[in-house]
Amino acid sequence: NAGVMQNPRHLVRRRGQEARLRCSPMKGHSHVYWYRQLPEEGLKFMVYLQKENIIDESGMPKERFSAEFPKEGPSILRIQQVVRGDSAAYFCASSPTGGDSPLHFGNGTRLTVT
Amino acid sequence: KNEVEQSPQNLTAQEGEFITINCSYSVGISALHWLQQHPGGGIVSLFMLSSGKKKHGRLIATINIQEKHSSLHITASHPRDSAVYICAVSVQGGSEKLVFGKGTKLTVNP
Repeated sequence: NAGVMQNPRHLVRRRGQEARLRCSPMKGHSHVYWYRQLPEEGLKFMVYLQKENIIDESGMPKERFSAEFPKEGPSILRIQQVVRGDSAAYFCASSPTGGDSPLHFGNGTRLTVT
Repeated sequence: KNEVEQSPQNLTAQEGEFITINCSYSVGISALHWLQQHPGGGIVSLFMLSSGKKKHGRLIATINIQEKHSSLHITASHPRDSAVYICAVSVQGGSEKLVFGKGTKLTVNP
């Protein structure tokens, strides 16, 4: 019973390139959350998705960032035209029913922008 | 002021000691989570609670809703407990997002 799978674990991009981060939730989980952890800072909520729907994207930067959770396949967090300030650890979590059900976290993707 | 405050920021203990990490919050919540982040970076959910007390092995979490305060206790601490412990709250009002404290870095020396 695989947990939340994130890939890649480490991603290096040059300024201006695109970064695509993938998250496969636990089996049976249809609620996905993305969080960002900047160096020396706490975790911050980015976006909450259910299958094919964005429920809450209040934590997403207005530009360059987008997220999707298609009917088939993993959830994708996409960052266009990356800048050095995007360097961070990006964590995905999933839950079966949303609300206050327990969260299961992935191991994160560490993005480095050079 | 952050909505979720943890103390202490850093904590060093000797193996076997009883550990307490505190979390205070300033908003209405529907649940509070305690998370553990190991040096490798992965995050594990330890507890989710909305009232009272929960226990799992050597870990105990309590919450006082009236005082807006929660504590995480570790009994008979061990070097493998060394990690960052993070408190997070689900804000009341329908929002699904978590608001996180900055974490407490615990080091347990042998």
